[in-house]
Amino acid sequence: DTGVSQNPRHKITKRGQNVTFRCDPISEHNRLYWYRQTLGQGPEFLTYFQNEAQLEKSRLLSDRFSAERPKGSFSTLEIQRTEQGDSAMYLCASSSEIGRYTFGSGTRLTVV
Amino acid sequence: QQPVQSPQAVILREGEDAVINCSSSKALYSVHWYRQKHGEAPVFLMILLKGGEQKGHEKISASFNEKKQQSSLYLTASQLSYSGTYFCGTEMGEKEDGTASKLTFGTGTRLQVTL
Repeated sequence: DTGVSQNPRHKITKRGQNVTFRCDPISEHNRLYWYRQTLGQGPEFLTYFQNEAQLEKSRLLSDRFSAERPKGSFSTLEIQRTEQGDSAMYLCASSSEIGRYTFGSGTRLTVV
Repeated sequence: QQPVQSPQAVILREGEDAVINCSSSKALYSVHWYRQKHGEAPVFLMILLKGGEQKGHEKISASFNEKKQQSSLYLTASQLSYSGTYFCGTEMGEKEDGTASKLTFGTGTRLQVTL
């Protein structure tokens, strides 16, 4: 069990640029979740996958956000035309059952 | 909807006890507790399924009252290592089609243990 891996750890981008984050879950986990966390707040749900199927997307996820999980393995989260309000920690988690998430260390995005 | 936690923050001396509460406006299937230290990812503590059971983990235990849609986390004889932000995550249950549901995290309770 090597844990959940997220890359990059930090990303600084200019407003308007596109960014992509990657998450490698624990290999035997079929469920993968993306959350966003801002300072002093709890993780906020963005989207989740069961195997390769994207089952739910938050209303908060605008059309600028897209996520994929090809072949039910790693996942990518892309943000197009970034805005300053997108600055946050993006957390990925995986699980093999309901609950008991294992979180990655996150990708901290700063939009300048 | 996001569960509400109370208190928002608490400061303890080492060895003191604390209780953190988590309330939901919706019926719950399960409640999960995580602890997050500054700059780190949330770490799983325990999960409670509906049925009102109480679970323990060293000196940290929790209860779940499904009728009141509430859960409480009990920290006894606190240690410096208990410092961090505690989040409850609530889950409505597996959908009828067998697909997974997701956790909705609470507002967080910041705990600081001092000497």
